[in-house]
Amino acid sequence: GESVGLHLPTLSVQEGDNSIINCAYSNSASDYFIWYKQESGKGPQFIIDIRSNMDKRQGQRVTVLLNKTVKHLSLQIAATQPGDSAVYFCAEILYGNNRLAFGKGNQVVVIP
Amino acid sequence: GAVVSQHPSWVICKSGTSVKIECRSLDFQATTMFWYRQFPKQSLMLMATSNEGSKATYEQGVEKDKFLINHASLTLSTLTVTSAHPEDSSFYICSARDMGRVGNEQYFGPGTRLTVT
Repeated sequence: GESVGLHLPTLSVQEGDNSIINCAYSNSASDYFIWYKQESGKGPQFIIDIRSNMDKRQGQRVTVLLNKTVKHLSLQIAATQPGDSAVYFCAEILYGNNRLAFGKGNQVVVIP
Repeated sequence: GAVVSQHPSWVICKSGTSVKIECRSLDFQATTMFWYRQFPKQSLMLMATSNEGSKATYEQGVEKDKFLINHASLTLSTLTVTSAHPEDSSFYICSARDMGRVGNEQYFGPGTRLTVT
């Protein structure tokens, strides 16, 4: 059932500043990672992905960094805009598997 | 491209009734679709993998007789919540993989908000 009193980690950022969202993943055998953005009441929206043979990938205003040694993933958003306010999830896929495992989520609040 | 729709977007039903949620890939074909459940301020939890023309694969702890999945065509999967109870109230989200593309990317639907009274 529904849980009461849960709070997502929240990052408050001034409009125009850069945002960094972090994610720790659990399985060292995961070989594909994705960042999703979810606005309230909507489904997840793909932002950027990275394979385990890379440590950095850049998109438009976004950069994903992968550190396999410590099983850490980060998403950097440049020049954060009010439309970036959302919950951001990292997700991982195990090699040979097609099932996504989602991380816990981080709320980003952009202050105009 | 790669649009996934869900119907209905929200539904309110009485305890004990059944509710069917549809997931459609609008501009691609999908042999594999996925159903997730999300409670407020929580992450998406995979419930089951829907396979076109065969039985769904359920995650541990998900009752297959309560959450019936049918993937009768390459563009449609349905999730039926049978004998719904208030604890089934949640946000149900589907995703689909494009069988015409290489890779693991899943395209998500907009979600269906189920409220059981």
